[in-house]
Amino acid sequence: GAVVSQHPSRVICKSGTSVKIECRSLDFQATTMFWYRQFPKQSLMLMATSNEGSKATYEQGVEKDKFLINHASLTLSTLTVTSAHPEDSSFYICSARQGLAGGADTQYFGPGTRLTVL
Amino acid sequence: KQEVTQIPAALSVPEGENLVLNCSFTDSAIYNLQWFRQDPGKGLTSLLLIQSSQREQTSGRLNASLDKSSGRSTLYIAASQPGDSATYLCAVRPLLRYSTLTFGKGTMLLVSP
Repeated sequence: GAVVSQHPSRVICKSGTSVKIECRSLDFQATTMFWYRQFPKQSLMLMATSNEGSKATYEQGVEKDKFLINHASLTLSTLTVTSAHPEDSSFYICSARQGLAGGADTQYFGPGTRLTVL
Repeated sequence: KQEVTQIPAALSVPEGENLVLNCSFTDSAIYNLQWFRQDPGKGLTSLLLIQSSQREQTSGRLNASLDKSSGRSTLYIAASQPGDSATYLCAVRPLLRYSTLTFGKGTMLLVSP
């Protein structure tokens, strides 16, 4: 099956620093990538959707200046948490969709990145 | 707005039992429904995907059913094993072409030896 990787898997940083998380589709080209965050014992909440070469579409309540998304190529998307604060501590998961004809395209999920802001 | 509800929130069973996890959704205009497994601190593993035109899908000891008109899906796990312990998430994909999945909060399953 298709594989989506994320790096780093875990990051601890000081309040006020910026953190970049990479998401790669390893064996397919992802026309669309999604970023989710998940708080403990909660479900995945969509943060933004990005299509290669265009600006990301953010969900209501998600600050686009705080969570910068760059979908630079068909295999790479990055999420940068700028000036991170403790309340940004969460589990961030990316997902990639191949965009096959007829809508028969499955979303594949990365392993997640645990961000802890001290 | 689509809402996905999963019942129960947590379930504890002894090894060998057959069990059913429930998922309901408010808007029946879906493209497909997917069941995922999530181990603690890990990402998602897709278990079964049911297209809106299908009634069920099977993979090994897992069987997922879909009743789109009533907004319900069930995941049946036969002969449960301790290795099945995880959180099971149900997600629906709307008809809109480029939309993404809406997730339920999951059912946390513990299978004891």
